[in-house]
Amino acid sequence: DQQVKQNSPSLSVQEGRISILNCDYTNSMFDYFLWYKKYPAEGPTFLISISSIKDKNEDGRFTVFLNKSAKHLSLHIVPSQPGDSAVYFCAASTGRGNTPLVFGKGTRLSVIA
Amino acid sequence: DAGVIQSPRHEVTEMGQEVTLRCKPISGHNSLFWYRQTMMRGLELLIYFNNNVPIDDSGMPEDRFSAKMPNASFSTLKIQPSEPRDSAVYFCASTPHVQVGYTFGSGTRLTVV
Repeated sequence: DQQVKQNSPSLSVQEGRISILNCDYTNSMFDYFLWYKKYPAEGPTFLISISSIKDKNEDGRFTVFLNKSAKHLSLHIVPSQPGDSAVYFCAASTGRGNTPLVFGKGTRLSVIA
Repeated sequence: DAGVIQSPRHEVTEMGQEVTLRCKPISGHNSLFWYRQTMMRGLELLIYFNNNVPIDDSGMPEDRFSAKMPNASFSTLKIQPSEPRDSAVYFCASTPHVQVGYTFGSGTRLTVV
């Protein structure tokens, strides 16, 4: 039973264009949603988060959108850069720090110069 | 701040041997999590601790797996006996209670032959 799903295992985008990574969830109790980025041989690093009371959060080139009625969130990267090439994980939790994160399986983004 | 420190970075062992993975969380972080990453299952939670106390170990796959946190600055994940299907990357992460999201270590890549 996968509570957080990333249905696209991979995505290729040209440098300068927009990258859109998608994530669906099933648990309506999730309060916080996060995106992590992972490079090979490194641990995942936090990128951006959004709480369930918001529908958008922006940080520089990264914007996360949340559609609670559809149980869907997306990460937009504009403009995409070759250094953005990594695996992106969507994650969700029902609370703050002492509550475990449930992760999707990840989407591998390749930004082509 | 040295971040979350995991050791060893790589471990190759023979089937049947005992394996111990180690983690030093960030000082002041109250919660510690152990995750396992595989191609098939993605990032799955094995166990987590709050204030050194194990809270949920339902993700531990079998009795061969055990984890301890004897103090706030050290945790171990032990597999005894190890099997080839245990081959994966094991991540440790820590966080303070008030924060959403965690800081991951660089992981231990375990190969059981």
